[in-house]
Amino acid sequence: NAGVMQNPRHLVRRRGQEARLRCSPMKGHSHVYWYRQLPEEGLKFMVYLQKENIIDESGMPKERFSAEFPKEGPSILRIQQVVRGDSAAYFCASSPGGEPLEQYFGPGTRLTVT
Amino acid sequence: DQQVKQNSPSLSVQEGRISILNCDYTNSMFDYFLWYKKYPAEGPTFLISISSIKDKNEDGRFTVFLNKSAKHLSLHIVPSQPGDSAVYFCAATRSGGYQKVTFGIGTKLQVIP
Repeated sequence: NAGVMQNPRHLVRRRGQEARLRCSPMKGHSHVYWYRQLPEEGLKFMVYLQKENIIDESGMPKERFSAEFPKEGPSILRIQQVVRGDSAAYFCASSPGGEPLEQYFGPGTRLTVT
Repeated sequence: DQQVKQNSPSLSVQEGRISILNCDYTNSMFDYFLWYKKYPAEGPTFLISISSIKDKNEDGRFTVFLNKSAKHLSLHIVPSQPGDSAVYFCAATRSGGYQKVTFGIGTKLQVIP
């Protein structure tokens, strides 16, 4: 039973480019959470999605960031016009239900903006 | 506004001794607390949790203590092993349906052989 998959593991983008981060939840999990870890900081909640629905996006920056979890395929976190401050590790977690107590994390995508 | 605080960024302990990692929280609505362990280049993995109806939960070498009046919890690892060297995140949430999980900044534990 494969765990949570994230790709790419490392992503380098120049300022102004777009970054797309993908997350495939564990089999049977329909709830996905995205977190960001900035250097020297803890994990910060960004967004919680179920299939085709955004449930809680209170942690998402208002501009340039968006997330989706389509009926088919992985969840995507999209960052438009990246800036240096977006450089961070982005973690995805999934759970079988809406209880975040059962979250399983992926290995993360490390985004570097040059 | 940091609602979950881990004030020690790092901790070094000799193998075989006890490791004590501390965590404080400010939000009195939190009633469920978790510890995650993270190795470099990997995602966090769940370690142990405790509900506010308890003051202690034990799982093998790992014990979490909760002091609600002080809004403080601690993770004890005994005996510590070199494989325990990792970053430990304290996290808190409200139980019952969907609630966000709030993480601390982590404490890096190094167990010296």
